[in-house]
Amino acid sequence: GAVVSQHPSRVICKSGTSVKIECRSLDFQATTMFWYRQFPKQSLMLMATSNEGSKATYEQGVEKDKFLINHASLTLSTLTVTSAHPEDSSFYICSATAGGVLEQFFGPGTRLTVL
Amino acid sequence: LAKTTQPISMDSYEGQEVNITCSHNNIATNDYITWYQQFPSQGPRFIIQGYKTKVTNEVASLFIPADRKSSTLSLPRVSLSDTAVYYCLVGDRDNYGQNFVFGPGTRLSVLP
Repeated sequence: GAVVSQHPSRVICKSGTSVKIECRSLDFQATTMFWYRQFPKQSLMLMATSNEGSKATYEQGVEKDKFLINHASLTLSTLTVTSAHPEDSSFYICSATAGGVLEQFFGPGTRLTVL
Repeated sequence: LAKTTQPISMDSYEGQEVNITCSHNNIATNDYITWYQQFPSQGPRFIIQGYKTKVTNEVASLFIPADRKSSTLSLPRVSLSDTAVYYCLVGDRDNYGQNFVFGPGTRLSVLP
């Protein structure tokens, strides 16, 4: 099946710093990529949807100025958590679809810990 | 938005067949049903997808009755490694925003 990678797999940072997470589709072109956040023992929560070359669409309650998403190519999307705070500590997961296909291919996730 | 309801948790023993039912009473005509599996600290993994009747692949079967208001994921002869959270999603091809509302999922524990 299609493979999606994320980098880094885990990151620890100090409060106030910014962290960038990369999501790559390795063997297919992803017309649409999604970013989720998952807190311990909870379900995935969709944060935003991004299409290559256009601005991301954020879900209600997600601050677009805090969670910057860039989808510069058909194989790469980045999520930057700006001025991170301890409450941003979570498991961030991306997924990708290839146009017209309903199935999502998920990355392995990135564990963010903000001290 | 088609909301889904699943049991919060289920227990089973190795070698048994497990059936997890998902209710989606307001499923729309264009909606498909997709099931994902998630292990701790990993991204979800696609299991199976269907529109109506029965779909089978190498890991599971999906049963969908004629009214499509529910669906049942069937895992034959589970093993300890099937312990995971299983999510049922309902959505259509043309409206991604509705596709990806994950419910709480079903936490399956397979016991030896």
